[in-house]
Amino acid sequence: GENVEQHPSTLSVQEGDSAVIKCTYSDSASNYFPWYKQELGKGPQLIIDIRSNVGEKKDQRIAVTLNKTAKHFSLHITETQPEDSAVYFCAASGYNNNDMRFGAGTRLTVKP
Amino acid sequence: DTEVTQTPKHLVMGMTNKKSLKCEQHMGHRAMYWYKQKAKKPPELMFVYSYEKLSINESVPSRFSPECPNSSLLNLHLHALQPEDSALYLCASSLVQGSETQYFGPGTRLLVL
Repeated sequence: GENVEQHPSTLSVQEGDSAVIKCTYSDSASNYFPWYKQELGKGPQLIIDIRSNVGEKKDQRIAVTLNKTAKHFSLHITETQPEDSAVYFCAASGYNNNDMRFGAGTRLTVKP
Repeated sequence: DTEVTQTPKHLVMGMTNKKSLKCEQHMGHRAMYWYKQKAKKPPELMFVYSYEKLSINESVPSRFSPECPNSSLLNLHLHALQPEDSALYLCASSLVQGSETQYFGPGTRLLVL
């Protein structure tokens, strides 16, 4: 089955700096890669996703890149703000995988 | 509207109690999911329903019993739980099962005494 690894487990940045979180996946059949943000006491919220037919996707301060050959994808947050502080999960799924597998999560802290 | 609602928000139950968690979505999604999330861990898949039929059961103990009465509702019936079952229980839905966006509810925080 699919295995998703996520690094780093914790990340602390100064407000205004960039943050990068990286994930690798094992199943070459995976073709959908969402990123979720989870704040304390809440459910995961989708912030951006990418499908395997594109290499990069951007939405304002957030971008995701995908390298299918190397089987890794990354989340980039620019101009970080204190409200970006949360746990971020990457995930992978595909038509041949009936379920979605999550990475272990990254706790991002943005210091004012 | 991408809202998934869950009730109750919090639940405390004893090991001999029977309770149910409820999940609802009105997005026309035909796949619904139950996840269990322990502190500082990612969500762990428990069950998947596709077109109101149980599609995946990730070897979950029988003290957890899912039910999908219709395409908008998903229940999780709880009976004779153990303290280690205390966790955040998340419901999610997607258009269909597979590589589709899953939208999560806020979760039910369960404490088993």
